[in-house]
Amino acid sequence: EAGVTQSPTHLIKTRGQQATLRCSPISGHTSVYWYQQALGLGLQFLLWYDEGEERNRGNFPPRFSGRQFPNYSSELNVNALELEDSALYLCASKEVSLEQYFGPGTRLTVT
Amino acid sequence: SQQGEEDPQALSIQEGENATMNCSYKTSINNLQWYRQNSGRGLVHLILIRSNEREKHSGRLRVTLDTSKKSSSLLITASRAADTASYFCATPLGTDKLIFGTGTRLQVFP
Repeated sequence: EAGVTQSPTHLIKTRGQQATLRCSPISGHTSVYWYQQALGLGLQFLLWYDEGEERNRGNFPPRFSGRQFPNYSSELNVNALELEDSALYLCASKEVSLEQYFGPGTRLTVT
Repeated sequence: SQQGEEDPQALSIQEGENATMNCSYKTSINNLQWYRQNSGRGLVHLILIRSNEREKHSGRLRVTLDTSKKSSSLLITASRAADTASYFCATPLGTDKLIFGTGTRLQVFP
C-alpha cells in the first residue's frame, strides 16, 4: 500500500510570492491534515480537510489556505510569503482509525 | 500554548542501552500517540495507547500512560544506531487535530 506522498520535496520562493504544496493521501483515506514544523515552534496544526470540505484550521492567517479535490488529494497554498513561513510542511491522512499517517514533507524556504 | 512538553529535550546513549523519554500533556485525552521523525522528514507512527490503558508494548517499545498525572513515557530497549531520531508524543484535540509535544532528540552511538 502506497503511503502519503507530498510534492515538491523542496521549494524555494521569494518573499511576497505564492507557494503551492501538494499531498496525496493513502488510498481510501478521506481526511487530510496539514501541519507546519518551523524551527523553534514545533509541530503546529494548520488545516483539516474531510470529504472535500475544510473542517478546521489552526491559528494561522488567511494567507494559508487550501482545498481538497474529489480524489481526496489536497493542496496547501501560502500567499504573500513571509520569511517566517520557512518550515517543513507535513501532510497526514486518516481513515476511521485513530492514527494519522504522515508524508515525507515539503521543505519551504522563503528568501 | 496547548503544546505538551517532552523531557529530556535531547538524549545521547550507547547502542544496547535503554532510552526513556517523557511527555506531559495539558488536556483530558482519549488516546496518546508516539511518533518518530528522522532527520527533519516525515513522522512515523510508533504506538497508540488509549486512556483506559496503562501500559502497551510493541517490539522494543514500551509506553506507559498515567492520566492522573497527564503524563506518558516511551521506553526503547536495547537501542540501535538506527533509533537515532526525534520522538514526539501527540494527543488528539477533539476529533481532528493532533497536539504535539516539543520532542526529544535521541542520539544512539554505535
